[in-house]
Amino acid sequence: DTGVSQDPRHKITKRGQNVTFRCDPISEHNRLYWYRQTLGQGPEFLTYFQNEAQLEKSRLLSNRFSAERPKGSFSTLEIQRTEQGDSAMYLCASSLEGGHGYTFGSGTRLTVV
Amino acid sequence: GQQLNQSPQSMFIQEGEDVSMNCTSSSIFNTWLWYKQDPGEGPVLLIALYKAGELTSNGRLTAQFGITRKDSFLNISASIPSDVGIYFCAIDQTGANNLFFGTGTRLTVIP
Repeated sequence: DTGVSQDPRHKITKRGQNVTFRCDPISEHNRLYWYRQTLGQGPEFLTYFQNEAQLEKSRLLSNRFSAERPKGSFSTLEIQRTEQGDSAMYLCASSLEGGHGYTFGSGTRLTVV
Repeated sequence: GQQLNQSPQSMFIQEGEDVSMNCTSSSIFNTWLWYKQDPGEGPVLLIALYKAGELTSNGRLTAQFGITRKDSFLNISASIPSDVGIYFCAIDQTGANNLFFGTGTRLTVIP
């Protein structure tokens, strides 16, 4: 296992288009998190899954955002009708239940033009 | 809203120097974490602190959980070029199942 994988690493899209990102966590980790990081800021929590259940969503996760983890393994984050303000690094992380210190992936950098 | 204030915002030091940075909050927390982020990568956990007053080392890094539980400190001894990056403190909001990150300290090491 090589850690948390995210795909793609970079995505440039036109405003109004839909985008989808994928995260493959460490295989034995049952928790999966999505964070967003804008330039000069620390990561901000978006949502998390325990196995396939989405247990918490931040108020940052507008109704244009949807995340899934259908089989409790990989997860997808979709942004519909992208806006320029969605430009950011989207980070995925995974952990074991009750464990501190997530393992983060390298992120997907989204640029909306 | 919640805030974790990191100081300084940025540092420029000569290779071999020691570095100190801190993180403060107006609230009490039970877990403090320190992460390092390299350009274009996700954060990597350096040290986790679980007890007020605790002092924990990881190689050249030493972190302390403040006795008031409202702050934490990270020291790097004998800095090397690969220490360059952004250092974030984070707290584990007990029961919230997510991490809240500070604003970061950007470290530049001049060879």
